[in-house]
Amino acid sequence: GQNIDQPTEMTATEGAIVQINCTYQTSGFNGLFWYQQHAGEAPTFLSYNVLDGLEEKGRFSSFLSRSKGYSYLLLKELQMKDSASYLCAVRGASGGSYIPTFGRGTSLIVHP
Amino acid sequence: EPEVTQTPSHQVTQMGQEVILRCVPISNHLYFYWYRQILGQKVEFLVSFYNNEISEKSEIFDDQFSVERPDGSNFTLKIRSTKLEDSAMYFCASVDGTSDTEAFFGQGTRLTVV
Repeated sequence: GQNIDQPTEMTATEGAIVQINCTYQTSGFNGLFWYQQHAGEAPTFLSYNVLDGLEEKGRFSSFLSRSKGYSYLLLKELQMKDSASYLCAVRGASGGSYIPTFGRGTSLIVHP
Repeated sequence: EPEVTQTPSHQVTQMGQEVILRCVPISNHLYFYWYRQILGQKVEFLVSFYNNEISEKSEIFDDQFSVERPDGSNFTLKIRSTKLEDSAMYFCASVDGTSDTEAFFGQGTRLTVV
């Protein structure tokens, strides 16, 4: 089975930097995803890590340590529109199909 | 930009009725998925579909549920004899199967069972 843990809620100030952590335990590992989900909307893809290290994409970066079962999503220069739920999803060893297991999500509130 | 489309956006049904949720995945994608999200809870995997058959399903996907790809473009989720606890947002997703990375999600169908 898979167990994914992330904080329930975080708050931050506009313009600041925030780091959202995710720890996981899986039977096998085949990639970790971060998705953003605004209330009532579909998750949208942010990042994918399969090897250790940092992946940077604009204001968003994602880090993975497979040995520690740990990832974080770093959001820089926060904007009000970044207020959303951030979902960590891990794909275990499930053959050729893509079936990530989602964490409960971290609700990020950005205030002025 | 290609997108996954789902209809209807909102469905209200009486307990015990059957509902069909429809999805049109991105045309060249090979893997299709249904997820659900009960209000305030996490996104949960229901079923994956590849090569015109179910490839994996979760314990949630019991005999009450079925999926079909009737005409090569639509991908449907049927829920027989709906229960109050089936009320949730149902998301369809597709993956191209070649780049093997991100899933593209539809905007979801909000199912309310009364």
